[in-house]
Amino acid sequence: GENVEQHPSTLSVQEGDSAVIKCTYSDSASNYFPWYKQELGKGPQLIIDIRSNVGEKKDQRIAVTLNKTAKHFSLHITETQPEDSAVYFCAARVRDSGGYQKVTFGIGTKLQVIP
Amino acid sequence: DTGVSQNPRHKITKRGQNVTFRCDPISEHNRLYWYRQTLGQGPEFLTYFQNEAQLEKSRLLSDRFSAERPKGSFSTLEIQRTEQGDSAMYLCASSLNRDYEQYFGPGTRLTVT
Repeated sequence: GENVEQHPSTLSVQEGDSAVIKCTYSDSASNYFPWYKQELGKGPQLIIDIRSNVGEKKDQRIAVTLNKTAKHFSLHITETQPEDSAVYFCAARVRDSGGYQKVTFGIGTKLQVIP
Repeated sequence: DTGVSQNPRHKITKRGQNVTFRCDPISEHNRLYWYRQTLGQGPEFLTYFQNEAQLEKSRLLSDRFSAERPKGSFSTLEIQRTEQGDSAMYLCASSLNRDYEQYFGPGTRLTVT
């Protein structure tokens, strides 16, 4: 099955600096890569996603890159703000043998933005 | 608010008791998913429904767990004879269809004492 590895597990940055979170996946059939932000006591919130036919996607201060050859994808947050502090999860979706589009999550990165 | 809702938000129960959680997906979403999340981990898939049909179950879903979505709208997840290892956050998500993004609810935090 799919295996998603995520690092770092914790990340502290100064407000205004950039933050980068990296993930790798194992199944070359994975075709969709969402990123979720989870605040304490809340469910994960989709913040950006990328499909396998695209190499980069940007939404204001957030960008995601995908390298299909290397099976790497990354989240980039620029001009970080204290409200960006949360746990971020990467995920990969692959259609399994039964036709189900299974989503596998990484372990999460706890981002702390220091004012 | 038209997002995914879950009830209750917190549940404390004694070992051996049965518990039931409810999930109300976004109204036009056909797919509904249940996940379990333990501290410091990402969500782990449990099961999913396409309308009222349960199409896939993870091996994490032991025979003490049962999920239903009787009318293709809300879903319930029941855990019988709870064990301390069942303590976790149970998350529900829904999507418009299989190729669309999943939107999560706030979760139900279960504590088994």
